[in-house]
Amino acid sequence: NAGVTQTPKFRVLKTGQSMTLLCAQDMNHEYMYWYRQDPGMGLRLIHYSVGEGTTAKGEVPDGYNVSRLKKQNFLLGLESAAPSQTSVYFCASSYRSDGDYGYTFGSGTRLTVV
Amino acid sequence: ELKVEQNPLFLSMQEGKNYTIYCNYSTTSDRLYWYRQDPGKSLESLFVLLSNGAVKQEGRLMASLDTKARLSTLHITAAVHDLSATYFCAVPLSGTYKYIFGTGTRLKVLA
Repeated sequence: NAGVTQTPKFRVLKTGQSMTLLCAQDMNHEYMYWYRQDPGMGLRLIHYSVGEGTTAKGEVPDGYNVSRLKKQNFLLGLESAAPSQTSVYFCASSYRSDGDYGYTFGSGTRLTVV
Repeated sequence: ELKVEQNPLFLSMQEGKNYTIYCNYSTTSDRLYWYRQDPGKSLESLFVLLSNGAVKQEGRLMASLDTKARLSTLHITAAVHDLSATYFCAVPLSGTYKYIFGTGTRLKVLA
């Protein structure tokens, strides 16, 4: 049981380049989330999805796009990377039910934009 | 707007000592979560607190939730070096599963 898998684990981009981060979960979770983690700021929600084909904005959505074409996958895209997007990105997933077990997190992607 | 504050932000303590980390939040919530993060690693779920007065214990860690005071505590008993990590609390926005995280408490246990 892999849980939540993120790829890639590390990436260096030049300003203006684009990339896609992939998150895959095998727990049949309905909800999926993308967070970024910056020193001294905890985790901030970028975008989230409550089901296949649906996405919504979180706290800090500017400069990012997402897609959830399949229930198990949630993609985060950067169309034109900026140095301010240097961060560690975490994907998470959870059930949509009263059986609340909290989030399961992926291992993170460390992105550096130069 | 939901705000989640943790204190202290940094904690250096000797092995064998007790200490408490506090998590305050600004709007009504009946759920709260605690996570642990080791350096360079992902977040691991520690406790899920689902009601007022909930208390959970795992080894040397005990978490409690007081929804009326909008306060959760993470108590460390007889700290050991292996507990060195950053601890986050998270509170869901009302009626959703979107969490707002605290800024984290970096704990260092000195041998």
